[in-house]
Amino acid sequence: DAKTTQPPSMDCAEGRAANLPCNHSTISGNEYVYWYRQIHSQGPQYIIHGLKNNETNEMASLIITEDRKSSTLILPHATLRDTAVYYCIVRFNLQHNTGTASKLTFGTGTRLQVTL
Amino acid sequence: DGGITQSPKYLFRKEGQNVTLSCEQNLNHDAMYWYRQDPGQGLRLIYYSQIVNDFQKGDIAEGYSVSREKKESFPLTVTSAQKNPTAFYLCASSIGGLVQPQHFGDGTRLSIL
Repeated sequence: DAKTTQPPSMDCAEGRAANLPCNHSTISGNEYVYWYRQIHSQGPQYIIHGLKNNETNEMASLIITEDRKSSTLILPHATLRDTAVYYCIVRFNLQHNTGTASKLTFGTGTRLQVTL
Repeated sequence: DGGITQSPKYLFRKEGQNVTLSCEQNLNHDAMYWYRQDPGQGLRLIYYSQIVNDFQKGDIAEGYSVSREKKESFPLTVTSAQKNPTAFYLCASSIGGLVQPQHFGDGTRLSIL
């Protein structure tokens, strides 16, 4: 599996943009980068994913470098409800005789604290 | 609303007892997954199922069993062979294929009495 590296914690003021970095230098050409977040004692929430182009949805933007060795998740206007652990994941494809599935290997993530 | 429902939210197991965690989804997803999360750590894959009546072992399947008799249901049994079962268990599902994101339930926290 491609390994990802994230800072253990970050702070962000409410209303400012939160930029969460992730390194995935061993990513292979067909592996996607996914971002999830987890609020304490809840299941992870899907945020966004991408292959090589920048992506944007209603929650966030994902910027992937041209060499695909790193990416940044951007929350444009952070609120207190965005306080969570954010996981950057490279999706690993599982092959078996009835088809294909994929495994999400979650590391320890970045704990984002949004403050007033 | 469509979603994934895990029950119960909290579960206690006695020594030597098997317990079953429920996972139901009404998203019409083909693939379903079980993960385990230990305090301060990431998720690890226990079992996954791509279609009905088929399932595969993940990275830490020992001491666990699953079934997939219906598309919407993927129960996980934690057997007495699992010596360290205390953890947060998460069920996920996806449409299938290699790109679609997995969506998670809110988990079951299992503890040993």
